[in-house]
Amino acid sequence: EIVMTQSPATLSVSPGEGATLSCRASQSVSSYLAWYQQKPGQPPRLLIYAASARATGVPARFSGSGSGTDFTLTISSLQSEDFAVYYCQQYSTWPPLTFGGGTKVEIK
Amino acid sequence: EEQLVASGGGLVQPGGSLRLSCEASGFTMSRYWMSWVRQAPGKGLEWVANIKQQGNEQYYLDSVKGRFTISRDNAKNSLYLQMNSLRAEDTAFYYCARKIVVTGPYFFDFWGQGTLVTVSS
Repeated sequence: EIVMTQSPATLSVSPGEGATLSCRASQSVSSYLAWYQQKPGQPPRLLIYAASARATGVPARFSGSGSGTDFTLTISSLQSEDFAVYYCQQYSTWPPLTFGGGTKVEIK
Repeated sequence: EEQLVASGGGLVQPGGSLRLSCEASGFTMSRYWMSWVRQAPGKGLEWVANIKQQGNEQYYLDSVKGRFTISRDNAKNSLYLQMNSLRAEDTAFYYCARKIVVTGPYFFDFWGQGTLVTVSS
């Protein structure tokens, strides 16, 4: 099983500032990595797939990078609607499909 | 508008059973692999099971293998999860989720609202 580790667990950011979220895989997942955003009381929403491709309708301030074992989700200039929990998911080797533990981006 | 509406959750005693349903609308579910993903209250996401378009392949998380069964009825645009021998650690919101239609990569491009399963005496 590929274990996904996200850091930090919580990130405090002021609106308008940027945020960098990390995701590390226990073994290489190539670029088979997705990022999701989840707001309270809502299901997750796909943001990024193939490590760096934005899903339909996702604003350009969200960008993904990385390959192998280390990945980054960058949010430039955080808007109020961006405060949420973000999860990475590997789909290189399954079953099982595995998610990271999440990073909560909160208002500073 | 595409929708996935999950139902069937509730309070059940340890060792009991529940059947979750997920009804799709606004798209043809038979074109897609479908999955169940769960989330314990206040915790992270955990994949539970996948099923191929025609139902002839299923995959499970080890901890639910032999207890849970994923199935589908494409004529009814519906996905199911039969959960037996439930344990306290199965307590979670259960989401149905759709894999992208493209053959190969398994990530979820659309999720339904969850249904809460609580296993407690």
